Amino acid sequence: GESVGLHLPTLSVQEGDNSIINCAYSNSASDYFIWYKQESGKGPQFIIDIRSNMDKRQGQRVTVLLNKTVKHLSLQIAATQPGDSAVYFCAENIRGAQKLVFGQGTRLTINP
Amino acid sequence: ETGVTQTPRHLVMGMTNKKSLKCEQHLGHNAMYWYKQSAKKPLELMFVYSLEERVENNSVPSRFSPECPNSSHLFLHLHTLQPEDSALYLCASSQEGLTEINYGYTFGSGTRLTVV
Repeated sequence: GESVGLHLPTLSVQEGDNSIINCAYSNSASDYFIWYKQESGKGPQFIIDIRSNMDKRQGQRVTVLLNKTVKHLSLQIAATQPGDSAVYFCAENIRGAQKLVFGQGTRLTINP
Repeated sequence: ETGVTQTPRHLVMGMTNKKSLKCEQHLGHNAMYWYKQSAKKPLELMFVYSLEERVENNSVPSRFSPECPNSSHLFLHLHTLQPEDSALYLCASSQEGLTEINYGYTFGSGTRLTVV
């Protein structure tokens, strides 16, 4: 069925450390994945995306890894900063459905 | 600003009131969406409009009534809501192309709705 989930609801890391946020999806027909960041009082903002024909994509301080074998998606944030504190959502696009399915979200807290 | 503007930012309404949420996108997108965000729940898709036609209605109660007069504007009309309808209501837009891959949504900041 349609479901995208995150392994941990909360994650705390020290400022400057790297963080990894995980996501599991169940629909093998999903062909496109996105990570969103939602800060307090704001709507979700696009961070990075990846298509199903790729297994890794890098942005500025962020990397998304896709493992289609185990239907797993992760977001790596390097050298975390206080501004990285937010809720992070993964979302999948199911081929043919033309809509995004969102996971529950992981709240990332950066400790000084 | 993200290019998608929602008003009002906060709304408190009684169960017998009628109010409307407004969303406007300045991105030239051709699809717009209403999502409900409740605490500890995934984003719930409510309505989808593509080229100003409603293409999806996810079993949303009739006390929520969407309206899309043109590709830039989307409304959510509310009447006789229940306290459990209190949530953050998010509007989003995207560009639906000829391929099936969705290049992601641009979200507004949402309307925080409290039903008393």
